[in-house]
Amino acid sequence: EIVLTQSPGTLSLSPGERATLSCRASQSIISNYLAWYQQKPGQAPRVLIYGASIRATGISDRFSGSGSGTDFTLTISRLEPEDFAVYYCQHYGGSRTFGQGTKVEIK
Amino acid sequence: EVQLLESGGGLVQPGGSLRVSCAASGFSFSTYAMSWVRQAPGKGLEWVSGISGSGGSTYYADSVRGRFTISRDNSENTVFLQMHSLRADDTAMYYCARGRIIIQSPLLEWGQGTLVTVSS
Repeated sequence: EIVLTQSPGTLSLSPGERATLSCRASQSIISNYLAWYQQKPGQAPRVLIYGASIRATGISDRFSGSGSGTDFTLTISRLEPEDFAVYYCQHYGGSRTFGQGTKVEIK
Repeated sequence: EVQLLESGGGLVQPGGSLRVSCAASGFSFSTYAMSWVRQAPGKGLEWVSGISGSGGSTYYADSVRGRFTISRDNSENTVFLQMHSLRADDTAMYYCARGRIIIQSPLLEWGQGTLVTVSS
């Protein structure tokens, strides 16, 4: 089973700043089967990025994904107030595991 | 518009059983694989189970294998999760999610969840 480790656990930033979130896999992820989700309090998650770098329908171009193999990154270019949330990565190949999440909070 | 509406959650005693359902609309249901994902209070996401569009292939997390059964009724556009031998650590919000045609796909659409509480 592939284990995903996200860092940092919490990211404290101000609106307008750039956010860089990391997701590291315990084994190489084939076919870039890596997705990023955003979850706000009291809401269901929603997909932002899949295939490591493909933005889902309707997602702002402020969100971008990169990486391959074992190291993946979600970048939010300029934080808007609505971007403060928890972000999860997921390997949707074999075991379909999620990372433990990174909380992006207002500094 | 894709809609996923979960139901059937509630309070159940340890060792008990419960079936949660997810009614789907707005897409060709039998074409798509479906999954259940849960989230314990204040915790992260855990993929629980998935099923192919035909229902012929099912998948489970190790934590629920042998206790939970996923199924679907394509004539009713509904996917089910039957849960047996429930434990306190099964307490969570259970989300229904749709990916693409194959089970190895990102979860593109989510329902709002149904809360299962296992407690005496």
